[in-house]
Amino acid sequence: GEDVEQSLFLSVREGDSSVINCTYTDSSSTYLYWYKQEPGAGLQLLTYIFSNMDMKQDQRLTVLLNKKDKHLSLRIADTQTGDSAIYFCAESILYNFNKFYFGSGTKLNVKP
Amino acid sequence: DVKVTQSSRYLVKRTGEKVFLECVQDMDHENMFWYRQDPGLGLRLIYFSYDVKMKEKGDIPEGYSVSREKKERFSLILESASTNQTSMYLCATKGQVDSPLHFGNGTRLTVT
Repeated sequence: GEDVEQSLFLSVREGDSSVINCTYTDSSSTYLYWYKQEPGAGLQLLTYIFSNMDMKQDQRLTVLLNKKDKHLSLRIADTQTGDSAIYFCAESILYNFNKFYFGSGTKLNVKP
Repeated sequence: DVKVTQSSRYLVKRTGEKVFLECVQDMDHENMFWYRQDPGLGLRLIYFSYDVKMKEKGDIPEGYSVSREKKERFSLILESASTNQTSMYLCATKGQVDSPLHFGNGTRLTVT
């Protein structure tokens, strides 16, 4: 139950909304996270959601969690060229808070 | 804001050299981690530490060791660097049980 899967690429036009999807398999997840990685840099925490929540909104970012389908999404409203990066989904597990499982990342390309 | 500082952004070493990667955090976090990131393989945990002088092996500890003499500093040591250790190395910290990982900016190590 440690698979976290994401599509590899997403391309959108500036000003459109982006939706990045993630599926996970472990039903004992506690938190689900979204990180952003710009070229040559580390992972920047964007937002995270507790697994008993359905939705969290933070400015242009909306996280939706469908626990039944084990599906997590990150919506970026009014996408800007500065949002071009790789986005990682991750989960932590109820019985082991120091264990994190990461997806392989979705590369978002924002065209001007 | 959590600040996680990795001492070098880029490092070039020769095969057989002993290499030290340093990570310092300013948030008094108990938990510190070393990951490596490779294309197609995602993030893989090398070692983590949950307290001073305490460490646990991650998924790929072979060829690495760590040192945590002070709470704020976690060092990754490559005893005898090899070309297959060329990678991006990411340090992360974590506070209390339900807090996320916070990453440094990464060290891109090339072993020639």
